[in-house]
Amino acid sequence: AQSVTQLGSHVSVSEGALVLLRCNYSSSVPPYLFWYVQYPNQGLQLLLKYTSAATLVKGINGFEAEFKKSETSFHLTKPSAHMSDAAEYFCAVSHSSASKIIFGSGTRLSIRP
Amino acid sequence: DADVTQTPRNRITKTGKRIMLECSQTKGHDRMYWYRQDPGLGLRLIYYSFDVKDINKGEISDGYSVSRQAQAKFSLSLESAIPNQTALYFCATSDSGGTDTQYFGPGTRLTVL
Repeated sequence: AQSVTQLGSHVSVSEGALVLLRCNYSSSVPPYLFWYVQYPNQGLQLLLKYTSAATLVKGINGFEAEFKKSETSFHLTKPSAHMSDAAEYFCAVSHSSASKIIFGSGTRLSIRP
Repeated sequence: DADVTQTPRNRITKTGKRIMLECSQTKGHDRMYWYRQDPGLGLRLIYYSFDVKDINKGEISDGYSVSRQAQAKFSLSLESAIPNQTALYFCATSDSGGTDTQYFGPGTRLTVL
């Protein structure tokens, strides 16, 4: 069975500061990992995806995530937060023969001026 | 025009009423999904469909039913709504496998009084 755990339901950072959103996964087979973002009053959209190629994945809006098998982690980072990054972020896991993906509980990111 | 549309966007109803939420997509995808989002619980899968003749239960299908009227249309019904079905409902589509990017509609906010 697969699962994903997002550490911290709410993260607050200052504008210009580093953003770090944590995600750990559990999977008995090689995982595919995703980060989705949900802006207020909108549906989710893909931020980035790991599919067993490069372990450092770059996404939209300056975000990136690194797959670390030894730590079963896929943390999302951005060097400098912008006010427009305020949103809810979801980590998700799947695998090559899966029929669906499993979402984490989400982390709400707030940006302080 | 949006690729995945949901109607209605907001609905308030009373306990015991039958409700239908509709989803249409223009992406030409075979796979469609219905999720519900509750604060702190992330997204939970209700039903999913791989093609017009295929319907599968997700993790929380009790109290819900679906209909795949065409490749582009996937409806979710609450036969007799109850207050704990108050939530944000999302439709999503994907091209094929569980590892593919899912494309989400804007959501339907349902309140059951």
